[in-house]
Amino acid sequence: SQTIHQWPATLVQPVGSPLSLECTVEGTSNPNLYWYRQAAGRGLQLLFYSVGIGQISSEVPQNLSASRPQDRQFILSSKKLLLSDSGFYLCAWSNGAANEKLFFGSGTQLSVL
Amino acid sequence: EDKVVQSPLSLVVHEGDTVTLNCSYEVTNFRSLLWYKQEKKAPTFLFMLTSSGIEKKSGRLSSILDKKELSSILNITATQTGDSAIYLCAVEVQGAQKLVFGQGTRLTINP
Repeated sequence: SQTIHQWPATLVQPVGSPLSLECTVEGTSNPNLYWYRQAAGRGLQLLFYSVGIGQISSEVPQNLSASRPQDRQFILSSKKLLLSDSGFYLCAWSNGAANEKLFFGSGTQLSVL
Repeated sequence: EDKVVQSPLSLVVHEGDTVTLNCSYEVTNFRSLLWYKQEKKAPTFLFMLTSSGIEKKSGRLSSILDKKELSSILNITATQTGDSAIYLCAVEVQGAQKLVFGQGTRLTINP
């Protein structure tokens, strides 16, 4: 069966520090991969998605970047965090076919201080 | 711009009550509408709706899509405290390989 792993679960970082959040999927190949951010009490904002290795689509201009170095690995990064980067980050995958049902990781709560 | 709007944003009811959550959308090319439940961290899938007027049911939860009104409702009958969660509505746009989410409805069930 397919599983998705996301880490770390919580992270406290100072303003200006770098960021790297990692997400891996097991039990499937060539998934679509997604990074969402959820501000407190709000819905999910799509940040990046990828339909294949090295293919990244950015949804909103921001301080963050994403990379997909391997088929089942998706990384969210920043060179210098801002206070506004605080939030709950969710990685998700779908099978990339007609069915766009998403399966989510357990999320990373990022606090930038 | 594709948009999904949920209402109410927040709802507090007593155990045993029936609730109806609303989701409306404006998208360029609709493909499907999905409902998720988020209790603590990862949202979990509830329903996917593609056809108008056909109710999907799972226990005390049910949902229906109205393509004419560009909306969907999620009903929960005989609510329990375990139904407390954020309920997220999302729409899949044809050919876009992504979901557009609404803001969510925070549902609180008091004993």
